[in-house]
Amino acid sequence: GESVGLHLPTLSVQEGDNSIINCAYSNSASDYFIWYKQESGKGPQFIIDIRSNMDKRQGQRVTVLLNKTVKHLSLQIAATQPGDSAVYFCAENTGGFKTIFGAGTRLFVKA
Amino acid sequence: DSGVTQTPKHLITATGQRVTLRCSPRSGDLSVYWYQQSLDQGLQFLIQYYNGEERAKGNILERFSAQQFPDLHSELNLSSLELGDSALYFCASSFTGKNTEAFFGQGTRLTVV
Repeated sequence: GESVGLHLPTLSVQEGDNSIINCAYSNSASDYFIWYKQESGKGPQFIIDIRSNMDKRQGQRVTVLLNKTVKHLSLQIAATQPGDSAVYFCAENTGGFKTIFGAGTRLFVKA
Repeated sequence: DSGVTQTPKHLITATGQRVTLRCSPRSGDLSVYWYQQSLDQGLQFLIQYYNGEERAKGNILERFSAQQFPDLHSELNLSSLELGDSALYFCASSFTGKNTEAFFGQGTRLTVV
C-alpha cells in the first residue's frame, strides 16, 4: 500500500492495551474538531468529532478529549486491535469551509 | 467503500505536462473538496466546490485549477507539472457546505518523472 508520512510520530502499543494519540491545534477560534483514520492505500476515514462547547465525547471504543486552555486534543482507543493500525489525523475547523489537518501519528499494534 | 470515486488510481507523467484528475462524489452530496497529500507535508486542503460554485480556496497553486460540473462531479487540472507535484490527491464529498463527516475517495497517486 501507499506510505504516508514516512517521518510521522509513531505510537506502538500491544494488542488489547489502550492507545492515546495526541494533537495540538493552532487556532484558538477553531470550534469543531475531527479525528480521521487513514489506512495504507486508502483515504482518510472519519472516526469521531467534537465541538468546542464540549470537553469529552465518546464513540464505540473511542473517546475524544478537548482541552481548549492548552489547545490540545486527544483520541483514546480502548482495547486496541490490529485493525486499528493506521495513521491518525486530527483536524480543526473555524466554522468556515476549510479544515486544517494535523501532521498525523502512525499507530502500530503489536499482536 | 466511501462512495466517492476517483480516477485514475495511478498516473505517471513527465515534467511540464498537464493532467486531469476526476472525482465523482457520493450520491446526494453537493460539496466536493480536493486535497494534496505528500510525504513531507501531510494533508493539505486545495479547494472546495459547493453545488457547482467555488466555495473556499486553500494552498492551491496557480498552475492548478478545478471545477465542478452540473452533475456534481469534479475535475482537478494540474499543469506545467513539476517533480514536487508528485503526491496523492484526494477528493472528498459532503452533503453540506461544511467539511463535517466528509467522505474521502481512495485517491489518485500522481508521479511526475
